[in-house]
Amino acid sequence: SQTIHQWPATLVQPVGSPLSLECTVEGTSNPNLYWYRQAAGRGLQLLFYSVGIGQISSEVPQNLSASRPQDRQFILSSKKLLLSDSGFYLCASDPRGNNQPQHFGDGTRLSIL
Amino acid sequence: SQQGEEDPQALSIQEGENATMNCSYKTSINNLQWYRQNSGRGLVHLILIRSNEREKHSGRLRVTLDTSKKSSSLLITASRAADTASYFCATDERNAGNMLTFGGGTRLMVKP
Repeated sequence: SQTIHQWPATLVQPVGSPLSLECTVEGTSNPNLYWYRQAAGRGLQLLFYSVGIGQISSEVPQNLSASRPQDRQFILSSKKLLLSDSGFYLCASDPRGNNQPQHFGDGTRLSIL
Repeated sequence: SQQGEEDPQALSIQEGENATMNCSYKTSINNLQWYRQNSGRGLVHLILIRSNEREKHSGRLRVTLDTSKKSSSLLITASRAADTASYFCATDERNAGNMLTFGGGTRLMVKP
């Protein structure tokens, strides 16, 4: 089965600083990859998804970006963080094909000061 | 916008009681999935029900799907304190690949 690794688990960053969150996947090849953000006590908002290396689709316009340099590596970045970027960031993966559940990492809690 | 909306937003019950959570959605779907999230952790997949299925069981979980009403329910029988978590429904919309749209979740507390 798939295992999703995310790091760091928590991060405190000042406004205007850059960001890089990394996600790697084990146990599958050529997966679909997703970045979500979750506000406290709320559901998940899809930020980016990728169906292959170098292929990124953005769901929400913002100052974040994503990259997929390798098949099982997904990176979320920002050049300048905003206060509104605070939240819980989750990476997920699913194998190709219909009716597949997503597997999630344990998330990164990002606090912007 | 959120596709699935859970009801209730919060639920508190005693150990041994059953917990029922509902989810409504708006568009045609390929499947509907339920996930569980412990505080501060990632989501764990519980059960997937396809659009042509009406009911599915997994251990103490029972999920129903009514596509005419665009609604689903998750029943946890004989609840335990360890079932305390947030539960989310997610819909896999037709013509949207495998992308899921999540509801706002139901926070379940099971008191020992």
